[in-house]
Amino acid sequence: GEDVEQSLFLSVREGDSSVINCTYTDSSSTYLYWYKQEPGAGLQLLTYIFSNMDMKQDQRLTVLLNKKDKHLSLRIADTQTGDSAIYFCADSGNTPLVFGKGTRLSVIA
Amino acid sequence: DAMVIQNPRYQVTQFGKPVTLSCSQTLNHNVMYWYQQKSSQAPKLLFHYYDKDFNNEADTPDNFQSRRPNTSFCFLDIRSPGLGDAAMYLCATSPTDSNQPQHFGDGTRLSIL
Repeated sequence: GEDVEQSLFLSVREGDSSVINCTYTDSSSTYLYWYKQEPGAGLQLLTYIFSNMDMKQDQRLTVLLNKKDKHLSLRIADTQTGDSAIYFCADSGNTPLVFGKGTRLSVIA
Repeated sequence: DAMVIQNPRYQVTQFGKPVTLSCSQTLNHNVMYWYQQKSSQAPKLLFHYYDKDFNNEADTPDNFQSRRPNTSFCFLDIRSPGLGDAAMYLCATSPTDSNQPQHFGDGTRLSIL
């Protein structure tokens, strides 16, 4: 079946850039998503990219998509303590969303 | 303003006592989803409604049922909660189909005594 893989932890210093990586297996993906989950809360849609795009930028967020390698990344510029959360990559494909296990981003002041 | 609203935020029930979680939306989206999320795990889809059409995931236990009386509301019924059902339950909506972004509520955290 479809699979989405992410590294589980990332720690960065405040002000540095964070890069969260994701790989997926479904070649029929139409959209790929990044969601943010703060403790005790639901999932907040951060950004998404259409599969025929290579890059999307939205303020401090940059999404890069390498469709050949099925690799997606989320770069957060000037990371702040408020960015500490779990970040989920999700792939739509032909079924309801398939989520990765999430990357826990810790920001050190 | 919250567009996908889940009530209550926290629910405590006793082992084996039926419980209902509710979700409402102001987005007028056709599709509504229920997910179960356990600690440090990804959300796991239980079922979804495309309008009135109910779609159950193959591995969703029979203990979990859902109702969607109208476009705005969707309920998750757990008939006989076990200790393993303690989790965060997330409701989400999307406009038409699975290839569009899903919008999530803040979830209901269910505890079983």
